[in-house]
Amino acid sequence: GQSLEQPSEVTAVEGAIVQINCTYQTSGFYGLSWYQQHDGGAPTFLSYNGLDGLEETGRFSSFLSRSDSYGYLLLQELQMKDSASYFCAVREGGGGSYIPTFGRGTSLIVHP
Amino acid sequence: NAGVTQTPKFQVLKTGQSMTLQCAQDMNHNSMYWYRQDPGMGLRLIYYSASEGTTDKGEVPNGYNVSRLNKREFSLRLESAAPSQTSVYFCASGDAGQAFYEQYFGPGTRLTVT
Repeated sequence: GQSLEQPSEVTAVEGAIVQINCTYQTSGFYGLSWYQQHDGGAPTFLSYNGLDGLEETGRFSSFLSRSDSYGYLLLQELQMKDSASYFCAVREGGGGSYIPTFGRGTSLIVHP
Repeated sequence: NAGVTQTPKFQVLKTGQSMTLQCAQDMNHNSMYWYRQDPGMGLRLIYYSASEGTTDKGEVPNGYNVSRLNKREFSLRLESAAPSQTSVYFCASGDAGQAFYEQYFGPGTRLTVT
């Protein structure tokens, strides 16, 4: 089975940088994804790491260390609209299969 | 493209009633998923269909059944609803692609069982 740990809440001010960590335990690991969810909305995909290292997409970056079973999402130049829940998810399976397990989510609160 | 659509958006059931949640995607994805989301619990996988013609149990399948009607449609059925099934249900679809993978989620169905 899989388990993921991420902080339940993080607060920051507008314009700052914030890092949301995710540690995982899984029997078959193929990659780590990050999703954003605003209140009442559907989760939307942010980033995926299949290999060690940093992936950058605009203001958002995601990092993975497979040897440490650890990843993080980095949000730069925070904006009020970034206030949302952020979920990490691990991928189990290979080839055409993708069995995902999600963390419980981190609520990010951005203050003016 | 509509992406992933779900019906209904809201539903109230009495204990013991049955209903089917519908999901359709127009992105030609092979895999489709049903999740439930409860406060503080994240997204939990109920059932998934890796490809047309196959379905498998996820983390929390008890009390649910699914049907992969064709490549586009994947329905979730509650045969005898219980208050513990009060939740927000999300359908999602996706494909492994090359080395990059993401899931596309529908808008959700908010279900209350009284």
